[in-house]
Amino acid sequence: AQKVTQAQTEISVVEKEDVTLDCVYETRDTTYYLFWYKQPPSGELVFLIRRNSFDEQNEISGRYSWNFQKSTSSFNFTITASQVVDSAVYFCALSKGSARQLTFGSGTQLTVLP
Amino acid sequence: ETGVTQTPRHLVMGMTNKKSLKCEQHLGHNAMYWYKQSAKKPLELMFVYNFKEQTENNSVPSRFSPECPNSSHLFLHLHTLQPEDSALYLCASSQDLAKDRGPNTGELFFGEGSRLTVL
Repeated sequence: AQKVTQAQTEISVVEKEDVTLDCVYETRDTTYYLFWYKQPPSGELVFLIRRNSFDEQNEISGRYSWNFQKSTSSFNFTITASQVVDSAVYFCALSKGSARQLTFGSGTQLTVLP
Repeated sequence: ETGVTQTPRHLVMGMTNKKSLKCEQHLGHNAMYWYKQSAKKPLELMFVYNFKEQTENNSVPSRFSPECPNSSHLFLHLHTLQPEDSALYLCASSQDLAKDRGPNTGELFFGEGSRLTVL
């Protein structure tokens, strides 16, 4: 069985601070995919990144970066110099190879204060 | 503008009503999904349609009835719901491979959801 844990239910930071959202996963599969989605107040989940289990390279995209560590089964997400527009619920998800098999974490509500 | 549109955005209904949620995707995808998002709970996959065929039904009560007339449209028919069914219902689509061609990673593209309140 797959499981995704986002232990941080809510985080508040002040604008321009860096913030890291934690994600820990459990799976018995050797091939799997990890995702992060952002859900702004409008409701739709927006895809941010996909990472497969064979690629442990960290990735940076603008102010966003992701740290994938298989040894600790973690896929953490860092926002550098946070902005008010980053306020949203962020979901980590795990799939063993198909979008229809995605398992989502319970989400982290990030509030960035001006 | 999102490639997946859902209507209505908000719906209030009594337990004896019959209503439907509609989802339309403009992305040329061949798989569509219904998810339920309740407060403080992970997203729950309800139904999956792949090439218009239902491939997943995650033990969803029969008061929820999906319909997929074509690969661009997905409905969720609601009948005699309970107050605990109040939630945000999210539709999603993906470009998924045919069942016999193995897995792919297909990320999901979501609509903005239909906020359902059952009185």
